[in-house]
Amino acid sequence: GENVEQHPSTLSVQEGDSAVIKCTYSDSASNYFPWYKQELGKRPQLIIDIRSNVGEKKDQRIAVTLNKTAKHFSLHITETQPEDSAVYFCAASSMDTGRRALTFGSGTRLQVQP
Amino acid sequence: DADVTQTPRNRITKTGKRIMLECSQTKGHDRMYWYRQDPGLGLRLIYYSFDVKDINKGEISDGYSVSRQAQAKFSLSLESAIPNQTALYFCATSDWAPNEQFFGPGTRLTVL
Repeated sequence: GENVEQHPSTLSVQEGDSAVIKCTYSDSASNYFPWYKQELGKRPQLIIDIRSNVGEKKDQRIAVTLNKTAKHFSLHITETQPEDSAVYFCAASSMDTGRRALTFGSGTRLQVQP
Repeated sequence: DADVTQTPRNRITKTGKRIMLECSQTKGHDRMYWYRQDPGLGLRLIYYSFDVKDINKGEISDGYSVSRQAQAKFSLSLESAIPNQTALYFCATSDWAPNEQFFGPGTRLTVL
């Protein structure tokens, strides 16, 4: 089955700096890669996703890049703000029948220092 | 607003007891999922269902069972709870797979 590794497990940045979280996956058939944000005591919520037909996707201060050859993808947050402090999870899934469930990484706790 | 709800939100039980966690959704989604969250381990899939008659085991299904009573309801049971099942449990739904999943508020389960 799919295995997703996520690094770092914790990340502390100063407000205004950029943050980068990296994930690698094992199944070359995976072609959907979402990122979820979980604030303290809250449920995970999708913040951005990318499918394998594109290499990069942006949404305001958030971007995701995908390298299918190397089987890794990354989340980039620019101009970080205190409200970006949360746990971030990457995930991977295949469009193939029978392998459509998401496999999540272990999470990165991001702390943005004011 | 269409939502995903879970009951109970918190539960403390004893080893050997049978426990049922319930999930309901008003999003009209066919696909429903159960995950458990443990510190440092992320979200791990227990079971998932793509429709009422299609139920599949996830990566950690041992010790758990599920029932899909209707499109809107998906229950998770622990037949004989043990302490290492202490965790935060999330239900989620999606309109198709793979696509955005919408999570419920979670159930914090403690097995003593």
